[in-house]
Amino acid sequence: KAGVTQTPRYLIKTRGQQVTLSCSPISGHRSVSWYQQTPGQGLQFLFEYFSETQRNKGNFPGRFSGRQFSNSRSEMNVSTLELGDSALYLCASSPDPGTAGNTIYFGEGSWLTVV
Amino acid sequence: QQQVKQSPQSLIVQKGGISIINCAYENTAFDYFPWYQQFPGKGPALLIAIRPDVSEKKEGRFTISFNKSAKQFSLHIMDSQPGDSATYFCAASVRTGGSYIPTFGRGTSLIVHP
Repeated sequence: KAGVTQTPRYLIKTRGQQVTLSCSPISGHRSVSWYQQTPGQGLQFLFEYFSETQRNKGNFPGRFSGRQFSNSRSEMNVSTLELGDSALYLCASSPDPGTAGNTIYFGEGSWLTVV
Repeated sequence: QQQVKQSPQSLIVQKGGISIINCAYENTAFDYFPWYQQFPGKGPALLIAIRPDVSEKKEGRFTISFNKSAKQFSLHIMDSQPGDSATYFCAASVRTGGSYIPTFGRGTSLIVHP
């Protein structure tokens, strides 16, 4: 089974621009979640989608948004980029998010640098 | 407010030694405590996890110790190997909106010297 796939892997954007990151979950997984990883703040939860509906949202400004498609693929968008948005953005999928023992599978991430 | 506090930030151990990483949490509603391992250039991967109704869980060289009254849990890596060199994250989760969403500690960078 293919793992969680994220594209692009690396990108550089200019402050004020917007960016869209894509994620293809493991086949059969209906839950997709996004995390921001930075050296200073660690892993922070952005949002989670299940069957095209946003079920949970982290404490990030409205510039961060996402969506999930009917095939479970997901995108996240960051508008009006700021220097502080430079980070590794991780997508994760899981088969049964409502169960405590559910395993979350992470992709390798998209490295975003804002200059 | 940091809901899961992890220490130390970095750890250097000799091959064959014991690596110990500690975490503490505040929210007593947390009821699932996974540990993740992350190698450079890779996403985190689930290593081992525990529910609060047990005090210890062992899988190979990796053991989680859990102290519910103290709201603390720790990861012990026995006979540490250079291949264990990675960043380790503890996490705590509770079911919210139908899903278990982990809250992560800040991570511990482990280096095991050969």
